[in-house]
Amino acid sequence: GQNIDQPTEMTATEGAIVQINCTYQTSGFNGLFWYQQHAGEAPTFLSYNVLDGLEEKGRFSSFLSRSKGYSYLLLKELQMKDSASYLCAARGGADGLTFGKGTHLIIQP
Amino acid sequence: DAGVIQSPRHEVTEMGQEVTLRCKPISGHNSLFWYRQTMMRGLELLIYFNNNVPIDDSGMPEDRFSAKMPNASFSTLKIQPSEPRDSAVYFCASRGGAGDYNEQFFGPGTRLTVL
Repeated sequence: GQNIDQPTEMTATEGAIVQINCTYQTSGFNGLFWYQQHAGEAPTFLSYNVLDGLEEKGRFSSFLSRSKGYSYLLLKELQMKDSASYLCAARGGADGLTFGKGTHLIIQP
Repeated sequence: DAGVIQSPRHEVTEMGQEVTLRCKPISGHNSLFWYRQTMMRGLELLIYFNNNVPIDDSGMPEDRFSAKMPNASFSTLKIQPSEPRDSAVYFCASRGGAGDYNEQFFGPGTRLTVL
């Protein structure tokens, strides 16, 4: 089976840094994804990790440790527009993604 | 590119009625996914197709749900008969081939309310 765990909600301050953690258990593993979803909108792709280590893309970075079944999404220089839900998803042996329930990130001025 | 297109965007129906959701994937993409999102259960994969062929339908809740992909540019998800617990946002996503293998592009979703 598949299981994805991430915090339900987090609060951070504009301009600061926030780290959103995700742990996963999958039968087979073929990649860890992060998606951003604003309220009432569709998820949009942020990052993909399949090897251990850090992937950096502008203000966003994603880290993966396969041995620990652990990933995090790091957001730097937070902006008000970063207020959204962040979905962690794992791909097992097949192509479909198993999503966590998402972390609702609130940015305060 | 217009992105993934879904219709209708909103659907309100009564229990027992048939509901058909439609999706047009991004041109050239060869994989198509149907997801359902609720507050309680989050985003769940229902079924996906590769090259118009259903590969994994283990996420389909029960026999009331069916999905088809008659050609590379069109897919439907049908619920018959619909029940109030089917109320959710249904997303369609597509994924391309070489160079785009990993990213799924989501449509805007269909918000379904079954009364």
